[in-house]
Formats: sequence, structure tokens, C-alpha cells
Amino acid sequence: AQSVAQPEDQVNVAEGNPLTVKCTYSVSGNPYLFWYVQYPNRGLQFLLKYITGDNLVKGSYGFEAEFNKSQTSFHLKKPSALVSDSALYFCAVSRKGSTLGRLYFGRGTQLTVWP
Amino acid sequence: KAGVTQTPRYLIKTRGQQVTLSCSPISGHRSVSWYQQTPGQGLQFLFEYFSETQRNKGNFPGRFSGRQFSNSRSEMNVSTLELGDSALYLCASSVGTSGTETQYFGPGTRLLVL
Repeated sequence: AQSVAQPEDQVNVAEGNPLTVKCTYSVSGNPYLFWYVQYPNRGLQFLLKYITGDNLVKGSYGFEAEFNKSQTSFHLKKPSALVSDSALYFCAVSRKGSTLGRLYFGRGTQLTVWP
Repeated sequence: KAGVTQTPRYLIKTRGQQVTLSCSPISGHRSVSWYQQTPGQGLQFLFEYFSETQRNKGNFPGRFSGRQFSNSRSEMNVSTLELGDSALYLCASSVGTSGTETQYFGPGTRLLVL
């Protein structure tokens, strides 16, 4: 069975400080991992994905994520947080043909960046 | 290139009614997936269509159905609405059905069942 865990419901960080939003996964075979962001009353916006290759993936709006196979983690990071980064962040794993859908999401982490 | 569009954006229905939601994928995308988002259950997969065929279905009752047209546009229908069907319904499109492809989401349709 596949699963995605976002251990923190909420992350608070001061503007200008680095931020990390954690994600761990459990999936058989090669994991395809995604990060999405959702602003209030909006759909999900794609940030980045890991398919294969370099463990450090760079994405939109200055975000990056590090794939760690031994720790089965895919944490989202940004060197310097902005107030406008405040939103709900979802980690997802993709598995072709699963009845759970091509994207299986974590519960989400609410990021709040304080000015 | 225009993004995924969903209509209507907001909908209020009463219990027992039925509703149809529409999704237009990004031009050239042939795969459309539907998700339900609620505060309690999070994001849950409903179904996926590719080339007018349902490829995948989540664990939802038969009241939830969908279809895809030859132009890749998709509709989902919920019959005999229940209060618990109140949710944000999200549509996502991608070029194909490979697990490596990015799914792009529309703004969603917020359904309120009274």
C-alpha cells in the first residue's frame, strides 16, 4: 500500500527565515513525488516533482525539495520565506493504475509566515 | 495556454437533488481526474478518464459518476445529494496517464448541500 505523511499540521516561520515542510512516503517501486500549494478558495498549484535523477529538485517561486531514499522523505524547502508563501501545502505520491488515484495526497501542512 | 477551467465555481443544492459539474482540460491534455476535498477527509480521488474511458475509480458510492467527451472535456454527476457531499470538487488534467506526468488543477467547484 502507498501512503504519504505530512507530520506537521502547521508550520510557523518568520519572514526571511528558511522554511521546511516535511513529507515522508511509503510506496512499493520507484516513487514519483509531487508538491502542490493551495491558496484560500483556490485550486492546487504545482510546485515541483521528483521522478528520477538529482535528489535536489528546484521548482516554482524559489522552492526546492530534497528526495532522500533511505529516509523515504521528500521535504519542501525555501531559503528565505515570504509572507506571500503562507498557504496550504500538499505532498503527493503518484502511482499509475492505483485505485487510490494517480495522485495520493498527504493531509496538508498549513504554512504561516509572520512579517 | 489557458489553464483548467471548471464550471460552475459555486453551487448550492438541497438534499436529494442531483448536480453536474464540468471541467475543460488544458488544450492537448487527454487525461482528466476528479478529486473531492473536505476538511475532514482531505483530498480524495474520485475517478480518472482518458480518451473517453474511465481508467480508475476511487472508493465512492455509485451516486458519483462521470464521463469524458471526445474533446476531452469531462463532467461529473452526483445524484441524490447528501449533506456530506458538500465539498470542493477539483478537476485536474494531464497529457497522458503516466505516473510521471504533472497533473494541473482547476480552481474547483464549491458545492454546498443544504
